[in-house]
Amino acid sequence: DAKTTQPPSMDCAEGRAANLPCNHSTISGNEYVYWYRQIHSQGPQYIIHGLKNNETNEMASLIITEDRKSSTLILPHATLRDTAVYYCIVRVWGGADGLTFGKGTHLIIQP
Amino acid sequence: KAGVTQTPRYLIKTRGQQVTLSCSPISGHRSVSWYQQTPGQGLQFLFEYFSETQRNKGNFPGRFSGRQFSNSRSEMNVSTLELGDSALYLCASSDSGVSPLHFGNGTRLTVT
Repeated sequence: DAKTTQPPSMDCAEGRAANLPCNHSTISGNEYVYWYRQIHSQGPQYIIHGLKNNETNEMASLIITEDRKSSTLILPHATLRDTAVYYCIVRVWGGADGLTFGKGTHLIIQP
Repeated sequence: KAGVTQTPRYLIKTRGQQVTLSCSPISGHRSVSWYQQTPGQGLQFLFEYFSETQRNKGNFPGRFSGRQFSNSRSEMNVSTLELGDSALYLCASSDSGVSPLHFGNGTRLTVT
């Protein structure tokens, strides 16, 4: 079973910030939070990852709560091309275990 | 850098046949892993190879096998195909397993 819980779907208006929540209440101290997204008929695309500090890259920001039991992926200015299924995954850094994908959140950007 | 390349993109096979799928990782990446994606089960881990050695395996029957070559390219094989093997098969590579996975766009296998 996936170690994370995400809402099945969300809507966001184009140009607004999309905030995608993820609960990972059983996360271990050495597990990172990773975010991937999958656009229809393509392979998953890596977005961002973090351990306990907030992280930002050219695609998104990741906010992790102090107790590390939940996180939020922020797409600052959503575009129609951001419509995809977003997966939140926890995994030990460098682990050989496969990624455990849950059902993810289907984010729909509305024009 | 070129991304992860999977061939062929689409494949149609008959039940009972066997199939081989190919994956070329990002240059310099030594870890290659394989995933199966179906509408009912979602994305499921098949196995992971690093420097030609299988390091981990998911919960799939022995009909599913793989290998990795010295140039890090990988193949996976499915023997005695069943209708339920119809899926999108995804390959991902990473730098020694200590960087995030980068996925190819998959091979869509249809078993009739």
